[in-house]
Amino acid sequence: DAGITQSPRHKVTETGTPVTLRCHQTENHRYMYWYRQDPGHGLRLIHYSYGVKDTDKGEVSDGYSVSRSKTEDFLLTLESATSSQTSVYFCAIMADYNEQFFGPGTRLTVL
Amino acid sequence: GEDVEQSLFLSVREGDSSVINCTYTDSSSTYLYWYKQEPGAGLQLLTYIFSNMDMKQDQRLTVLLNKKDKHLSLRIADTQTGDSAIYFCAESIEEYGNKLVFGAGTILRVKS
Repeated sequence: DAGITQSPRHKVTETGTPVTLRCHQTENHRYMYWYRQDPGHGLRLIHYSYGVKDTDKGEVSDGYSVSRSKTEDFLLTLESATSSQTSVYFCAIMADYNEQFFGPGTRLTVL
Repeated sequence: GEDVEQSLFLSVREGDSSVINCTYTDSSSTYLYWYKQEPGAGLQLLTYIFSNMDMKQDQRLTVLLNKKDKHLSLRIADTQTGDSAIYFCAESIEEYGNKLVFGAGTILRVKS
């Protein structure tokens, strides 16, 4: 699993509330990613980071923000959750030789 | 634009070979990947191939890459019931921090 953990693993929240998901890695890899997985879409990139305080948008970044204040942690925040953000969220890291490993996922339900 | 396409479903008998196909559009992709996802689980990296290679073999897995046709395939030899899962093809896009663009996944069902 390349030392990647995500928390929480499951969350149910209400529309309009803020939500923060955490990704933690133990191996000091530079690149970290947040993807969401929805039926029929595979995984789509939300945001990524290429170092501490260095982040950039992916293809589905609207409604999401990220922060990376330490190498090991990459946070994904939904400022005001909507039902369309109900999804499974995966964090990933890029290790040596361009191998990309994924965390176990967070299942988020927005009611 | 970036697009990855896969067939949705494949059914094989235990012991047969499985071949899962994928086409991609971005000719600048440097790496192409195959992931496996079992129900309720995360994505497991099975194998990947650098774009200047034609083939890569890893135990029961063989990846073939036809760069001219932008076609990637994953062959699983001696398919077992434990291979039943969703298989995702993905290409890396160097421009966006090596992000991965995924296909929608192929459901592999192995019948005993």
